[in-house]
Amino acid sequence: SQKIEQNSEALNIQEGKTATLTCNYTNYSPAYLQWYRQDPGRGPVFLLLIRENEKEKRKERLKVTFDTTLKQSLFHITASQPADSATYLCALRGNSGGGADGLTFGKGTHLIIQP
Amino acid sequence: DSGVTQTPKHLITATGQRVTLRCSPRSGDLSVYWYQQSLDQGLQFLIQYYNGEERAKGNILERFSAQQFPDLHSELNLSSLELGDSALYFCASSEGNKRGYTFGSGTRLTVV
Repeated sequence: SQKIEQNSEALNIQEGKTATLTCNYTNYSPAYLQWYRQDPGRGPVFLLLIRENEKEKRKERLKVTFDTTLKQSLFHITASQPADSATYLCALRGNSGGGADGLTFGKGTHLIIQP
Repeated sequence: DSGVTQTPKHLITATGQRVTLRCSPRSGDLSVYWYQQSLDQGLQFLIQYYNGEERAKGNILERFSAQQFPDLHSELNLSSLELGDSALYFCASSEGNKRGYTFGSGTRLTVV
């Protein structure tokens, strides 16, 4: 069956360091992968989208890599700040050409940036 | 404000009842998606509408239904409610398949 796995344990990072979150998937051939941020009780907020033919994407302090051979995406936040503390979700849509068009989300990794 | 409006924000109702959740997508977005989020299951895709037509179904129960109206707003109907239906229900919209989704702030449903 299709699975998206993110580290369910909270990730504690010291302020100023780089936080790296992992998203692994199985039985998908995704056309693209997305990352979202979610704060408690609020809707997810779109951060970045990376396509299958892209290896890396950057936006300000954020960087995403996408390795379709390893079936893995890494999400980096450089110069992390306490305000970056949130749950980060990885999401995939397949490219089967039909069927479900909705994104499937991982359960997310809770990131805590400590001052 | 994300541009996606969901009402009501909170809803408390009894088992066996029926409720309707409403969503207005971001201006210009033709696709509307409904998601359910509970603590143990994470975000679960329920259903997608595109320009008034049902496009895809996910893990939506038969007791649940949805529609999208000509003005593109959407409603999610939940009937014969059970305690386990208590969750956050999110609506999202997008302008295309390869774009990020814009989520609303959600409706917190509590079934007692």
